[in-house]
Amino acid sequence: NAGVTQTPKFQVLKTGQSMTLQCAQDMNHNSMYWYRQDPGMGLRLIYYSASEGTTDKGEVPNGYNVSRLNKREFSLRLESAAPSQTSVYFCASSDGNSGNTIYFGEGSWLTVV
Amino acid sequence: GQQVMQIPQYQHVQEGEDFTTYCNSSTTLSNIQWYKQRPGGHPVFLIQLVKSGEVKKQKRLTFQFGEAKKNSSLHITATQTTDVGTYFCAGPHAGGTSYGKLTFGQGTILTVHP
Repeated sequence: NAGVTQTPKFQVLKTGQSMTLQCAQDMNHNSMYWYRQDPGMGLRLIYYSASEGTTDKGEVPNGYNVSRLNKREFSLRLESAAPSQTSVYFCASSDGNSGNTIYFGEGSWLTVV
Repeated sequence: GQQVMQIPQYQHVQEGEDFTTYCNSSTTLSNIQWYKQRPGGHPVFLIQLVKSGEVKKQKRLTFQFGEAKKNSSLHITATQTTDVGTYFCAGPHAGGTSYGKLTFGQGTILTVHP
């Protein structure tokens, strides 16, 4: 039981390049999330998916797109990376009900130069 | 929009000293969760509080939920070096169906000097 698995763990991009962060969970959770973490800013929600086939914007969606491929997988795409997107990205999942624990992946460290 | 504020942002203590972090929400919360993130790691769930005035303990950690359900605190007694990390509080998004979305505080970074 791996929980939430995300790849890659580290990535360096040049400004303007594109990339996709992959995430999968094996807990049969309905909801999945992408957060970014920056110093002093806590965890900010980029996008979330309440269930397979649905996605919606969080607090900071600009510059990102997501795909909920199936119940297990939720990917985050940067179409044209910018230095402001240098951050640590966490994928997470939960049952989707208020009060349910959110389980995080180990994080992806992204640097845009 | 809903805001969850946490203070202090940083706390440096000597091993054996106590530590407290405070969390305040701009809206009434149905529940509040606390997470711990070790340096270089990912946030890990610690506890959830649901009832007004609720107090829960986990060994040296004491969690409180305010009577108005708008604030919470985490107190660690006699800190140890294993307590280092960032402590986050988080509350459900206000209004409508939250789908489990949480608004996180900025976190308190705890450093423990041996």
